[in-house]
Amino acid sequence: KAGVTQTPRYLIKTRGQQVTLSCSPISGHRSVSWYQQTPGQGLQFLFEYFSETQRNKGNFPGRFSGRQFSNSRSEMNVSTLELGDSALYLCASSLAAPNEQFFGPGTRLTVL
Amino acid sequence: QKEVEQDPGPLSVPEGAIVSLNCTYSNSAFQYFMWYRQYSRKGPELLMYTYSSGNKEDGRFTAQVDKSSKYISLFIRDSQPSDSATYLCAMSHLLNDYKLSFGAGTTVTVRA
Repeated sequence: KAGVTQTPRYLIKTRGQQVTLSCSPISGHRSVSWYQQTPGQGLQFLFEYFSETQRNKGNFPGRFSGRQFSNSRSEMNVSTLELGDSALYLCASSLAAPNEQFFGPGTRLTVL
Repeated sequence: QKEVEQDPGPLSVPEGAIVSLNCTYSNSAFQYFMWYRQYSRKGPELLMYTYSSGNKEDGRFTAQVDKSSKYISLFIRDSQPSDSATYLCAMSHLLNDYKLSFGAGTTVTVRA
């Protein structure tokens, strides 16, 4: 069974640009969550989608947005990039329970 | 003060030693407690999950939760060099709350 996949794996952008990251969950998983991981703040919850609806949202500015498609694939978008947005962005999918979230390898975003 | 506190280490132990990891938390509403292992350049991998107070054992791993003290632990017996990784504790309020709160992670090195 294929795991969670994220594309691209690495991304370099400049301040002010926008970026879109993609996540394909494990087949059959309908919940997709996004997290930001930085050395200073650790892993922080961004948002969670289930059946194309955002069910939970973390404490991030509106520049961070996401969506989920009918096939459960999800994208997150960050607009007007700031240096502090440099991080590893992780996607996790779940079949039925938050205690069984399976993470992808992440997308490493560097903002210059 | 962060909701979940975890000593980032690093922690270095000889092969075969017992590794002891712990987290403290401030929010008494947390009921579900998880431990993840993260290798370098990989996404977190779920190791253990416990509900409320008590112990849970899985092979060389034992997770303990003491809700009265707001303290959770993970013990790794007979540690191996392959256990070298960053260990993250995570917790959530409700069964259907997909917003996980993570500790900062403890980096563990097991010396051969």
